[in-house]
Amino acid sequence: DTAVSQTPKYLVTQMGNDKSIKCEQNLGHDTMYWYKQDSKKFLKIMFSYNNKELIINETVPNRFSPKSPDKAHLNLHINSLELGDSAVYFCASSPAGHYEQYFGPGTRLTVT
Amino acid sequence: SQQGEEDPQALSIQEGENATMNCSYKTSINNLQWYRQNSGRGLVHLILIRSNEREKHSGRLRVTLDTSKKSSSLLITASRAADTASYFCAQTYSGNTPLVFGKGTRLSVIA
Repeated sequence: DTAVSQTPKYLVTQMGNDKSIKCEQNLGHDTMYWYKQDSKKFLKIMFSYNNKELIINETVPNRFSPKSPDKAHLNLHINSLELGDSAVYFCASSPAGHYEQYFGPGTRLTVT
Repeated sequence: SQQGEEDPQALSIQEGENATMNCSYKTSINNLQWYRQNSGRGLVHLILIRSNEREKHSGRLRVTLDTSKKSSSLLITASRAADTASYFCAQTYSGNTPLVFGKGTRLSVIA
């Protein structure tokens, strides 16, 4: 009955590969987010979707492409992975009209 | 950058003591939130305070907001070892703008 789940939890891959991270929320929330947390714990918004529509797209390389097949899912696809992409990626969701966000457990991506 | 800052970066206290963490931000906010992150886990929302509020309580947590100084504080009373975590403040500046997180305060509560 996990509220916001992400798969995989750990992802180790080589430079140049393409990988995807999946996120699902069963809270019925309208808005979903992707964040990147670097090695210094700095957490930065990447994307935000509201009812499957992109509403926030921060300055993220276009190698990163989010996809929201439905309101409960927001996946992140990354092309041509680089060393600097190594980080923990968090998915989050929030209900309509509310500011508090509910975070998934994170996906630790290591690019070698 | 609108990123706020938490202070101190790290705090170590004995169980039973109170822990105070501060957060400063740069421009007028809509609201401010505090989150906790246990090691290797996602963030957990603790409390939200709106720009027209000055203080809020939730259990052992007390949050204050001083908009004139653009700062907030989180007080955890009677700390427990389970409170050991990183604590982040995050601001919403207007409408649908994204949350802006600080770098967090690492709290260690020693039993």
